[in-house]
Amino acid sequence: AQTVTQSQPEMSVQEAETVTLSCTYDTSESDYYLFWYKQPPSRQMILVIRQEAYKQQNATENRFSVNFQKAAKSFSLKISDSQLGDAAMYFCAWETSGSRLTFGEGTQLTVNP
Amino acid sequence: DAGVIQSPRHEVTEMGQEVTLRCKPISGHDYLFWYRQTMMRGLELLIYFNNNVPIDDSGMPEDRFSAKMPNASFSTLKIQPSEPRDSAVYFCASSPGQENTEAFFGQGTRLTVV
Repeated sequence: AQTVTQSQPEMSVQEAETVTLSCTYDTSESDYYLFWYKQPPSRQMILVIRQEAYKQQNATENRFSVNFQKAAKSFSLKISDSQLGDAAMYFCAWETSGSRLTFGEGTQLTVNP
Repeated sequence: DAGVIQSPRHEVTEMGQEVTLRCKPISGHDYLFWYRQTMMRGLELLIYFNNNVPIDDSGMPEDRFSAKMPNASFSTLKIQPSEPRDSAVYFCASSPGQENTEAFFGQGTRLTVV
């Protein structure tokens, strides 16, 4: 079975600093997608960034970027210039055909002013 | 499009009562998913549909849970009878299909069974 592991239940960062959230996954498939979702207190699940496994180039979305290491099955999220609005629960997720997502346990990010 | 719409936002019910959660997916999306979020188990997939047909319901916890999708614009998740351990946030999500794998989530229904 596919699993996604987030080893950091909680992280904190100073406003304007950089923070990296870790995620590892386990799969025998070669074609899949990886995502980071953000869940603020409103509980809305918001897509932050996604990575196609067949692409070697790391995805970037403004202040958010990933470090995708396919051989190591690692998919970390880097948030640069952290803002107070970045405070939320962050979920790493894995997906194969059919769009069904397998989520990690989540990392609660606190941004300190 | 207004996004995925779930109702109600909050539901409080007594143990033993029937509960029905509703979802309207984004128009044109072929896939619809029901997820449950709890502190103990995190986010887990309960069931998903492709073109209104249930594809995988292996995540449905027990026979008390049932889901239907009578048409492309509506789905329900029913719990009968409800139990306190069913208390959770239930999310509905939809996706255009395999060529575009992003899933769009509704705002969830917080269910409390007392």
